[in-house]
Amino acid sequence: AQSVAQPEDQVNVAEGNPLTVKCTYSVSGNPYLFWYVQYPNRGLQFLLKYITGDNLVKGSYGFEAEFNKSQTSFHLKKPSALVSDSALYFCAVRVGVNSGTYKYIFGTGTRLKVLA
Amino acid sequence: NAGVTQTPKFRVLKTGQSMTLLCAQDMNHEYMYWYRQDPGMGLRLIHYSVGEGTTAKGEVPDGYNVSRLKKQNFLLGLESAAPSQTSVYFCASKGFRREQETQYFGPGTRLLVL
Repeated sequence: AQSVAQPEDQVNVAEGNPLTVKCTYSVSGNPYLFWYVQYPNRGLQFLLKYITGDNLVKGSYGFEAEFNKSQTSFHLKKPSALVSDSALYFCAVRVGVNSGTYKYIFGTGTRLKVLA
Repeated sequence: NAGVTQTPKFRVLKTGQSMTLLCAQDMNHEYMYWYRQDPGMGLRLIHYSVGEGTTAKGEVPDGYNVSRLKKQNFLLGLESAAPSQTSVYFCASKGFRREQETQYFGPGTRLLVL
């Protein structure tokens, strides 16, 4: 079955420290992978995506993610966390339904808390 | 350019009542999606549409119906609401070209079914 997993419900990190939010996936074929962020009482906002090319993808607000095909992972990273990064983060993968039609499977989300 | 808007923002229903959630997008996107968000379960796809006049079932379609009569609008209907449908509902849209892989989300509709 095609799926995406976020093994950590919550990640706590001190402000200024590097952060990592984990994501692993299981899909057939080449994966299209995404990270979205949700602030309280808001919709999801796009952070970054991997479709093809360089395994290190840079996105909004200083975030980046590394695609690792052998480990089927797409971990979200940031070198120096800010308190304002505290939010709910979702990993997602695109899966094919039929020719030319796709849908997206989201992980259960990881709450990031950056402590001042 | 408002992006994706959802109406209403919040609603309380009694069991058995019906309602329609409206999603509108002004980006001329072909694809539109309805998700529900529940604690610990992330976002789950209810129904989606790949173009005007077309709809398809997602992971959790039971108890919901949808219509896409106009390209810019995607309606989600609850014919007979149940407490299990208490959730936050998000609509999203995207274009069909490869460079348009990003989904744009609305602000959500919080629904409470008593």
